[in-house]
Amino acid sequence: GENVEQHPSTLSVQEGDSAVIKCTYSDSASNYFPWYKQELGKGPQLIIDIRSNVGEKKDQRIAVTLNKTAKHFSLHITETQPEDSAVYFCAAGKSGGSNYKLTFGKGTLLTVNP
Amino acid sequence: SQTIHQWPATLVQPVGSPLSLECTVEGTSNPNLYWYRQAAGRGLQLLFYSVGIGQISSEVPQNLSASRPQDRQFILSSKKLLLSDSGFYLCAWGARGSEAFFGQGTRLTVV
Repeated sequence: GENVEQHPSTLSVQEGDSAVIKCTYSDSASNYFPWYKQELGKGPQLIIDIRSNVGEKKDQRIAVTLNKTAKHFSLHITETQPEDSAVYFCAAGKSGGSNYKLTFGKGTLLTVNP
Repeated sequence: SQTIHQWPATLVQPVGSPLSLECTVEGTSNPNLYWYRQAAGRGLQLLFYSVGIGQISSEVPQNLSASRPQDRQFILSSKKLLLSDSGFYLCAWGARGSEAFFGQGTRLTVV
């Protein structure tokens, strides 16, 4: 089955700096890679996703890159703000057919210091 | 737009008591539905998923069961709770493939 590794497990940055979280996956058939943000006591919220037909996707201060050859993908947050502090999860899955499951990384606790 | 409702938000139950957590989705038809558990330390463990009414797949052997009596209703149950069932339970839905959109979760404490 799929295995997703996520690093680092904790990340502390100063407000305004950039933050990068990296994930690797093992199943070359995976083609859907979402990222979730989870605030304390709440459910994870999908913040951005990328499919294997693109290498990069941006949404304001958030970007995700995908390297299918190396089987890794990364989340980049620029100009970090204190409200970006949360646990971030990467995941890998397959679109369509009878594929219904996501495999999650173990999460990264991001702390943005004012 | 689609919304997912999960309740209750918090629950404290004695060991040996039954459990019923309910999740409903609005604004979509025939969604994939999921139950996850998140123990302390953040990891998300898939417990059950369903691709249609009455169709339940279990990912891990455990003290819990799931049912889908209606298209947009997903229920997590137990006949007798164990201390180890404590955790944060999350319902999620997806429209296609492996997409997943989460509810706000239920914090279950078994005492």
